[in-house]
Amino acid sequence: AQSVAQPEDQVNVAEGNPLTVKCTYSVSGNPYLFWYVQYPNRGLQFLLKYITGDNLVKGSYGFEAEFNKSQTSFHLKKPSALVSDSALYFCAVRDSLGSARQLTFGSGTQLTVLP
Amino acid sequence: NAGVTQTPKFRVLKTGQSMTLLCAQDMNHEYMYWYRQDPGMGLRLIHYSVGEGTTAKGEVPDGYNVSRLKKQNFLLGLESAAPSQTSVYFCASSYGPGGRTEAFFGQGTRLTVV
Repeated sequence: AQSVAQPEDQVNVAEGNPLTVKCTYSVSGNPYLFWYVQYPNRGLQFLLKYITGDNLVKGSYGFEAEFNKSQTSFHLKKPSALVSDSALYFCAVRDSLGSARQLTFGSGTQLTVLP
Repeated sequence: NAGVTQTPKFRVLKTGQSMTLLCAQDMNHEYMYWYRQDPGMGLRLIHYSVGEGTTAKGEVPDGYNVSRLKKQNFLLGLESAAPSQTSVYFCASSYGPGGRTEAFFGQGTRLTVV
């Protein structure tokens, strides 16, 4: 079975400081990992994904994520946070093995960037 | 660039009433999904479709039915609404399986069952 955990419901960071939103996963095979962002009253928007290759993945709006197989983690990072980055962030995973054709989403982390 | 469009955006139902949520995508995607979003629980998959004429159950299918008669449309039906179905519903579509290609989401339907 595939699962994903976002251990922090809420992350607060000052504008201009680096931010990290944590994600850990569990799969039987290799993971396909995604980050999505949700702004108020909107649907989810794709940020970045890891399928294979370099462990550091760069995505939209200056975000990046680091795949760490030994720690089964895929943390989202940004060197300098903006107030406009405040939103709800979701990590998602799919196992390369098994019959599941859909993603499993984490419970979400609310990021607040303080001016 | 319409992308994924959901209709309606808001609805209030009485317990026992029925309704259909419509999802339309204009990207020629094969895969379509219906999720529900509840506070602290993330998104949970209700049903999905891997192509026209096909449907499959997701994580929380009870109380819902779906149909995909046309490739661009994916309908979610509630036959007899219950308060536990109060939620925000999202439709999504993707070119390939939801694990190698990114999904595109609609803006959501906020449903309240009283």
